[in-house]
Amino acid sequence: KQEVTQIPAALSVPEGENLVLNCSFTDSAIYNLQWFRQDPGKGLTSLLLIQSSQREQTSGRLNASLDKSSGRSTLYIAASQPGDSATYLCAVLPGGTSYGKLTFGQGTILTVHP
Amino acid sequence: KAGVTQTPRYLIKTRGQQVTLSCSPISGHRSVSWYQQTPGQGLQFLFEYFSETQRNKGNFPGRFSGRQFSNSRSEMNVSTLELGDSALYLCASSLAPSDRPGNEQFFGPGTRLTVL
Repeated sequence: KQEVTQIPAALSVPEGENLVLNCSFTDSAIYNLQWFRQDPGKGLTSLLLIQSSQREQTSGRLNASLDKSSGRSTLYIAASQPGDSATYLCAVLPGGTSYGKLTFGQGTILTVHP
Repeated sequence: KAGVTQTPRYLIKTRGQQVTLSCSPISGHRSVSWYQQTPGQGLQFLFEYFSETQRNKGNFPGRFSGRQFSNSRSEMNVSTLELGDSALYLCASSLAPSDRPGNEQFFGPGTRLTVL
């Protein structure tokens, strides 16, 4: 059974810092890994998707990497801003009979203070 | 292009009642998945529909059911509501069935269900 773990559970940083969020998964048989952000009481916003054959994806100040063999992904946020404050969720799309079931980590709650 | 829409946004029901939630995917998307989000369990997969067929189902009791219409809109029904069904129910849409590499899922704002 695929399990996804995110570390740290919460992170508080001053504005302007670069930071790294970590995600690990137990089964390397995945199609994709997707990073989302969720603001309180809202739905999920897709940030980046990395296919299993890719190593990294970039969008603006965000960079996500994937090491499928070791079951790890990182989300790097450069020059953090208060507007980046949210919960960041990592999700893997497993292969095999679990197809279709995005499996989520518990999230990292990020607070960026001015 | 409009995003995924879900109605209603908020619902309050009492134990034993039933509820129907609706999801309209992004135009052109034919796959719709449903997830339940609670503080204790996090996000859990309920089911996925593609071209009006249920392709996969999560580990939920039979009180949870769904369907998809020919225009790709989907509904989810929960019968005999229990207090533990209080949650944020999220719908996600994608172009193709979700077992395709690179198939990105886009989520709606969710329906907040409170069971009293």
